[in-house]
Amino acid sequence: QVQLVESGGGVVQPGRSLRLSCTVSQFTFRNYGMHWVRQAPGKALEWVADIWYDESNTNYADSVKGRFTVSRDNSKNTLFLQMNSLRVEDTAVYYCARDSFAYCRGDCSGVGYWGRGTLVTVSS
Amino acid sequence: DIQMTQSPSSLSASVGDRVTITCRASQGIINYLAWFQQKPGKAPKSLIYAVSNLQSGVPSKFSGSGSGTEFTLTISNLQPEDFATYYCQQYKSYPHTFGQGTKLEIK
Repeated sequence: QVQLVESGGGVVQPGRSLRLSCTVSQFTFRNYGMHWVRQAPGKALEWVADIWYDESNTNYADSVKGRFTVSRDNSKNTLFLQMNSLRVEDTAVYYCARDSFAYCRGDCSGVGYWGRGTLVTVSS
Repeated sequence: DIQMTQSPSSLSASVGDRVTITCRASQGIINYLAWFQQKPGKAPKSLIYAVSNLQSGVPSKFSGSGSGTEFTLTISNLQPEDFATYYCQQYKSYPHTFGQGTKLEIK
């Protein structure tokens, strides 16, 4: 059974940094594109970033471009989201998600599996 | 960016009913559309990809249709566990935008 477990959330002051991790199991991590999606309290889902399975491309929402960086360590089955210059409006539950199918580049298959999420609160 | 607009924003229905949720894209997305279900306090669950293809384990009571800019999610024979919020998402181009959600409530 595909598993994705996020960690690294917490309370942080505006302007500071935080790194989220997503450790996966029960599938061949290096073969799948991965995403971060967030949800502010009481709001809709917002796609944040993705990284292709072969690390050849990363993409970001305009709201986080230049501040957030997505990366992966295939040897450790782990996805990361480095979040710098955090703002109050970045407060949300952050979900790690996996493409539905292997070897996708961008418009292949959409998200198939989700983690349970980790809460990031940006507050002074 | 492609804007995704869902209608209605909320919907009341009874157990056993059949309901349809609409998702409109601000420009053509061919068939690069997915649907998700989310219950309060839980992670989203993937239901459908490429407009009409059910994810593994999703019951056939869920169905999707459409092309271009207008898409629908239909849920038949509503059961208590189906009352949730539903989101569409386009993955034709970046950013992969979601709709604002449709909350399906018990009448």
